[in-house]
Amino acid sequence: GAGVSQSPRYKVAKRGQDVALRCDPISGHVSLFWYQQALGQGPEFLTYFQNEAQLDKSGLPSDRFFAERPEGSVSTLKIQRTQQEDSAVYLCASSLNSGGAARAQYFGPGTRLTVL
Amino acid sequence: GESVGLHLPTLSVQEGDNSIINCAYSNSASDYFIWYKQESGKGPQFIIDIRSNMDKRQGQRVTVLLNKTVKHLSLQIAATQPGDSAVYFCAENGDFGNEKLTFGTGTRLTIIP
Repeated sequence: GAGVSQSPRYKVAKRGQDVALRCDPISGHVSLFWYQQALGQGPEFLTYFQNEAQLDKSGLPSDRFFAERPEGSVSTLKIQRTQQEDSAVYLCASSLNSGGAARAQYFGPGTRLTVL
Repeated sequence: GESVGLHLPTLSVQEGDNSIINCAYSNSASDYFIWYKQESGKGPQFIIDIRSNMDKRQGQRVTVLLNKTVKHLSLQIAATQPGDSAVYFCAENGDFGNEKLTFGTGTRLTIIP
């Protein structure tokens, strides 16, 4: 079946603009995750959902970052008033898990955000 | 704070030889570990996982070893091929009920033809 998809694949924004990044998880996957990956680094956790509930948003860098998953499927990560330090690859992952012990997460290709 | 790290940032291996990539973790509560492969411009690709009630798990050409005593994880790739060239990350989860993963910084594996 289809894997995790993300759009757009590339986004260039001027500093101060708002951006919205979309994630379509694997069909049937309950949990959805957002990670941020700086160049040459490992992914860093931002937030995650179980169905439509946002269970952990401790990794969001500031209140300019907001994520939602209103119907428990597609998710959107929104960044308001983008800053240059927001430039990174934003990765989305999903897993079958419905609670309890962690399970394998499957990643999308990421959205590369460049803030000028 | 708790972290997951790697001993070697780069590794070059002759094609056909075996590769071993190492990872140290500091969270003694970690009970689930995953190895990912990431090629340039792509998202991390799941390779293999292991839970803390096991010390070894095998997949196709890959083996993961877990040593909880010294908090060490390794990925062994048998008979490496050019397509194995990538950055490899270990990741861990140590909070039951919270599925977030903590990643190391990665090891770049280069296969020499």
